[in-house]
Amino acid sequence: DTGVSQNPRHKITKRGQNVTFRCDPISEHNRLYWYRQTLGQGPEFLTYFQNEAQLEKSRLLSDRFSAERPKGSFSTLEIQRTEQGDSAMYLCASSQMAYGYTFGSGTRLTVV
Amino acid sequence: GQQVMQIPQYQHVQEGEDFTTYCNSSTTLSNIQWYKQRPGGHPVFLIQLVKSGEVKKQKRLTFQFGEAKKNSSLHITATQTTDVGTYFCAGPGYGQNFVFGPGTRLSVLP
Repeated sequence: DTGVSQNPRHKITKRGQNVTFRCDPISEHNRLYWYRQTLGQGPEFLTYFQNEAQLEKSRLLSDRFSAERPKGSFSTLEIQRTEQGDSAMYLCASSQMAYGYTFGSGTRLTVV
Repeated sequence: GQQVMQIPQYQHVQEGEDFTTYCNSSTTLSNIQWYKQRPGGHPVFLIQLVKSGEVKKQKRLTFQFGEAKKNSSLHITATQTTDVGTYFCAGPGYGQNFVFGPGTRLSVLP
């Protein structure tokens, strides 16, 4: 297991389209997080799973965003009806208990 | 909501000079984490501090947690070009997530 894997690495989409990203965490990690990062900013929390249960969701998160983690393994993040403001790097991270995150390389979304 | 602030926003140093970044919270933190993000890369976990007044060292990096557990610092001795990147502190948010500061971007001139 080489770490957290995210696909795709880059996604360019037209405004209004739906996009889906995938994250494969470190297999021993039961916690999975999605963060969003824009240029020059720190990562911003989106949502958190413990095993297959989505336990936390940012109050700032639009209803257009949804995430799943079926069977407590990989996770998907879907953005419906994308807007230009959704352009960002979407980072997935996993951890064992409440220790440091291991981040994936991210999916860079560009909405045109 | 929970926020952590960092200063400075940017720091340019000559190779061999020391560097320090500071992290501050308006509330007491149960713990604090530090991450490094290289240009074009993703954040990489460096360390977690838990105890009041704790000091931990990793080679040329020294991490400190304040006595009141509201601030922390990262000090790099004799910077090298490999230290280039953005350093983030992160404190517990509401729940099981961490809130990241805006980061300090370090550039090292050879």
